[in-house]
Amino acid sequence: DAKTTQPTSMDCAEGRAANLPCNHSTISGNEYVYWYRQIHSQGPQYIIHGLKNNETNEMASLIITEDRKSSTLILPHATLRDTAVYYCIVRVAAGGTSYGKLTFGQGTILTVHP
Amino acid sequence: DTAVSQTPKYLVTQMGNDKSIKCEQNLGHDTMYWYKQDSKKFLKIMFSYNNKELIINETVPNRFSPKSPDKAHLNLHINSLELGDSAVYFCASSQKSSGNTIYFGEGSWLTVV
Repeated sequence: DAKTTQPTSMDCAEGRAANLPCNHSTISGNEYVYWYRQIHSQGPQYIIHGLKNNETNEMASLIITEDRKSSTLILPHATLRDTAVYYCIVRVAAGGTSYGKLTFGQGTILTVHP
Repeated sequence: DTAVSQTPKYLVTQMGNDKSIKCEQNLGHDTMYWYKQDSKKFLKIMFSYNNKELIINETVPNRFSPKSPDKAHLNLHINSLELGDSAVYFCASSQKSSGNTIYFGEGSWLTVV
């Protein structure tokens, strides 16, 4: 699986949009971009994923650049409960020898403050 | 209802003991996993089972033995526990035919003393 690079930490004011960047310059054509987060003392929580088109769900939006070498996770109105470690992961969705494997990096510690 | 549930949530045990962590998923998924998060907070896959068959084994010591009695359960047995086994263990599941998004349980905190 391709490697990702994320900032170590970010701050965001409550109610503002949180934009979390991720670089994945070695991503392959069949690899998806996944975002998970881990709130303190909880299990990783799936947020969103995409291949090349921008995606939006009830939690967040995912913007993937045209060359697919980077992406941004957007939390449109951050709340204190969004404080967590956010992981950007690239992986093949199914099939191949990396089937099912999520390779977690260090992630970005997002702190939402009042 | 909890989608992926693990028991126990907390476990403190002595070196040399044998212990098990149970995992059940009610999502109807065909693939289950065990991940380990160490003291440095790195999350790493240990095992993956698809339809009760082992498909990923990430060079985990053979003291760790997963057992999948059916598609909804993947239990982790650990023999001869060592201090270095202290970690948080996460069970997870996914459905291969539905994009294979992986959903995690809440974790089991294992402390070996």
